[in-house]
Amino acid sequence: QVTLKESGPTLVKPTQTLALTCTLSGFSLSTIGTRVAWLRQSPGKSLEWLAHIDWGYDSFYTASLKTRVTVSHDTSKNQVVLTMTNMDPVDTATYYCARNPPVYSRTWTSFDYWGQGILVTVSS
Amino acid sequence: QSVLTQPPSASGTPGQRVTISCSGSRSNIGNNPVTWYQQLPGTAPKLLIYFSDQRPSGVPDRFSGSKSGTSASLAISGLQSEDEADYFCATWDDSLKTVLFGGATKLTVL
Repeated sequence: QVTLKESGPTLVKPTQTLALTCTLSGFSLSTIGTRVAWLRQSPGKSLEWLAHIDWGYDSFYTASLKTRVTVSHDTSKNQVVLTMTNMDPVDTATYYCARNPPVYSRTWTSFDYWGQGILVTVSS
Repeated sequence: QSVLTQPPSASGTPGQRVTISCSGSRSNIGNNPVTWYQQLPGTAPKLLIYFSDQRPSGVPDRFSGSKSGTSASLAISGLQSEDEADYFCATWDDSLKTVLFGGATKLTVL
């Protein structure tokens, strides 16, 4: 059974660094054609794609956040980690990790399994 | 304001057919396939349509997608109360080099 689960702090202070973990189950990121992405959704707003990491452990980032975001993979724990520096109240959002499987790998926008999401609030 | 434009709301009565549009440009919808998601309140998005017009297994055939030029559409036929949700379109933008999402359409079943 494929699952993804986000974990990490739900409250961070402005200027702090956020680190979120996505624990993968039922599949391996190393399977050719697989990607795991991080997305976020501000309260009452649309979705925003932040980055993804692929089966070769290469990472790709949205241009607007490229200097602040890093995505990495811990093979031993089968986890994908999102790090975002210099957090600001505008970064308050529900953060999701999601899988882009090999069958959909021709497009980076089709995610078949999502985590439940984690609401991160940025406030002093 | 999103680069992909969706109407903020749509509505219909049970059994009706409703269509939700997603308008973009050559660098996004014009050149790339479109994905559609359904999001029920308090839950993660659910994949409805991929490659513009393909349904994943388990998605009812009441849901269909199409694309023409720089616009895409999601059609829902035989509207049911459980279809009441937010709907998002998504695609890649060749110029911005990022995944774009539409601004969401809130569907109300009257």
